Amino acid sequence: EAQVTQNPRYLITVTGKKLTVTCSQNMNHEYMSWYRQDPGLGLRQIYYSMNVEVTDKGDVPEGYKVSRKEKRNFPLILESPSPNQTSLYFCASRRGQGPGELFFGEGSRLTVL
Amino acid sequence: AQKVTQAQTEISVVEKEDVTLDCVYETRDTTYYLFWYKQPPSGELVFLIRRNSFDEQNEISGRYSWNFQKSTSSFNFTITASQVVDSAVYFCALRGPSGGSNYKLTFGKGTLLTVNP
Repeated sequence: EAQVTQNPRYLITVTGKKLTVTCSQNMNHEYMSWYRQDPGLGLRQIYYSMNVEVTDKGDVPEGYKVSRKEKRNFPLILESPSPNQTSLYFCASRRGQGPGELFFGEGSRLTVL
Repeated sequence: AQKVTQAQTEISVVEKEDVTLDCVYETRDTTYYLFWYKQPPSGELVFLIRRNSFDEQNEISGRYSWNFQKSTSSFNFTITASQVVDSAVYFCALRGPSGGSNYKLTFGKGTLLTVNP
């Protein structure tokens, strides 16, 4: 089954404790991206990757890092989480050519105390 | 810059009513793509439709229909004979042309649809 898998799905952590949200897709997609969803703001892009070792900032990259060492994986790293990073996070992927839609993971709800 | 406006924050209807969700967009691109996604209470994002800017044909899929009008920069979504299972947040989104660039979706803020029995 074609899917984008995120882990963890739910996490409560404390300020300053480094965490990583993993994202893996099994569709051999070149493009992957991270979004965060906040009430009243919709979804906003954090980072994206056009292919292995090619990443770039989206609209709200502050406080986040990413890496793309393998085509299937695109982890989101919060080096020193803060309460304003409490949000619902979505990973997404799509093939690198053509007008196709983004496939989204199921979301990871993160709470930073 | 691209922008998507969903003016309706919340809509509440009674089952079997028809309901239209509005979406207005802004872009300077001549080629672009419009999307609708559904987010049920369980939280995942479900793709509903993609429409290309050069294809203004309206589309119907079961109880769902979409009205794309470039003249008014609108891409409205109608649910006919709504059902309780249609209760969700619906997002309209816009993307620029393909080819070597970020395939970023610009999302509206979403419309919460509640269908009451």
